[in-house]
Amino acid sequence: GQQVMQIPQYQHVQEGEDFTTYCNSSTTLSNIQWYKQRPGGHPVFLIQLVKSGEVKKQKRLTFQFGEAKKNSSLHITATQTTDVGTYFCAGHVWDAGGTSYGKLTFGQGTILTVHP
Amino acid sequence: DVKVTQSSRYLVKRTGEKVFLECVQDMDHENMFWYRQDPGLGLRLIYFSYDVKMKEKGDIPEGYSVSREKKERFSLILESASTNQTSMYLCASSSREGGSYNEQFFGPGTRLTVL
Repeated sequence: GQQVMQIPQYQHVQEGEDFTTYCNSSTTLSNIQWYKQRPGGHPVFLIQLVKSGEVKKQKRLTFQFGEAKKNSSLHITATQTTDVGTYFCAGHVWDAGGTSYGKLTFGQGTILTVHP
Repeated sequence: DVKVTQSSRYLVKRTGEKVFLECVQDMDHENMFWYRQDPGLGLRLIYFSYDVKMKEKGDIPEGYSVSREKKERFSLILESASTNQTSMYLCASSSREGGSYNEQFFGPGTRLTVL
């Protein structure tokens, strides 16, 4: 079955340092979504990437989708304590019949700790 | 604003008990999902539903069943709870627009402990 691997599992940074998490799929994705889960909270949608090679920015966050649509990354510039949480990528694949019902396969997540 | 609610935030049950977890969404979404979240394993899909009375197995359906009698409500049932089903359970919903799928909206989660 489809697998989505995400690294690293943990990342500890000093406030102001940059952070990157990487996501790799065993199959070509139709799109990829990124979610953030604050400690004690639930996952919240950040962004969706659809096109090969797509790059999107949200303030200090930069999201990339690989040319082959099998990998993605999230980069945070100059981390702040508010960035603390777990970041998940989630891949969406259409099956052979052209359906998916919105089913996502999530990576294991990267837990980000920011030291002030 | 989309709201997904779950019946309990915390639940403690005994081995062998039948457990019902309920999820309600208020945005008329077609798709609903049940995940379990365990440290280091991310979110794993248990079951999902794309319409009333329709259900599909996810990646880890063993030991679980689901029910969707109304569009806004999706229930997860543990027929005979076991200690390895101790976990955080998350419900989510998403809409289908023009053949594409939008982001998933998650409920607050139910932390289930099976003793």
